[in-house]
Amino acid sequence: DTAVSQTPKYLVTQMGNDKSIKCEQNLGHDTMYWYKQDSKKFLKIMFSYNNKELIINETVPNRFSPKSPDKAHLNLHINSLELGDSAVYFCASSHSGGYTFGSGTRLTVV
Amino acid sequence: DAKTTQPPSMDCAEGRAANLPCNHSTISGNEYVYWYRQIHSQGPQYIIHGLKNNETNEMASLIITEDRKSSTLILPHATLRDTAVYYCIVRVDRGSNYKLTFGKGTLLTVNP
Repeated sequence: DTAVSQTPKYLVTQMGNDKSIKCEQNLGHDTMYWYKQDSKKFLKIMFSYNNKELIINETVPNRFSPKSPDKAHLNLHINSLELGDSAVYFCASSHSGGYTFGSGTRLTVV
Repeated sequence: DAKTTQPPSMDCAEGRAANLPCNHSTISGNEYVYWYRQIHSQGPQYIIHGLKNNETNEMASLIITEDRKSSTLILPHATLRDTAVYYCIVRVDRGSNYKLTFGKGTLLTVNP
């Protein structure tokens, strides 16, 4: 069983569209995260949720809206997509100590 | 969290030990040293972490100097599949809410 799963794995869309990326973890962890890895390969945290409550918001544009229906899910909705949003988005979860990451969603905005 | 300094790249021969250094001279007493790696096109993977004692698991060993200002990750018998970017991160273990901040890491290339 995959511990942290993201869907879709690849997403190609036009500028201005709205899209969502889903993340689910079956580890029973309390905290989930979204990270963005740009073309220069820097990994930056975007959001953190603990038990469905927003804990960290790293000055991400409000076009990005995370939603956590329960502590096993953290979805990322992006409005009005821009070219600069093209990146790989990683979901992760943690309880204490180490993080477990998903395999990433490669978003390409054309 | 304290900042870390790692060499941008290293090479290692297959079957040899890979020793990846990390400097964290401003580390605080309650900060742990974590190591993650990212194999191309995959999500980061936890390797090992420690506070002051040396640690070993099935993947690697972590050697932390007595003054805790630097550490070395050791992959005892590197394989081609160990080629990846290795990240050294120091952070306080305040439970699950504290974020993990990635630097540039070290690109380890294992050569046949």
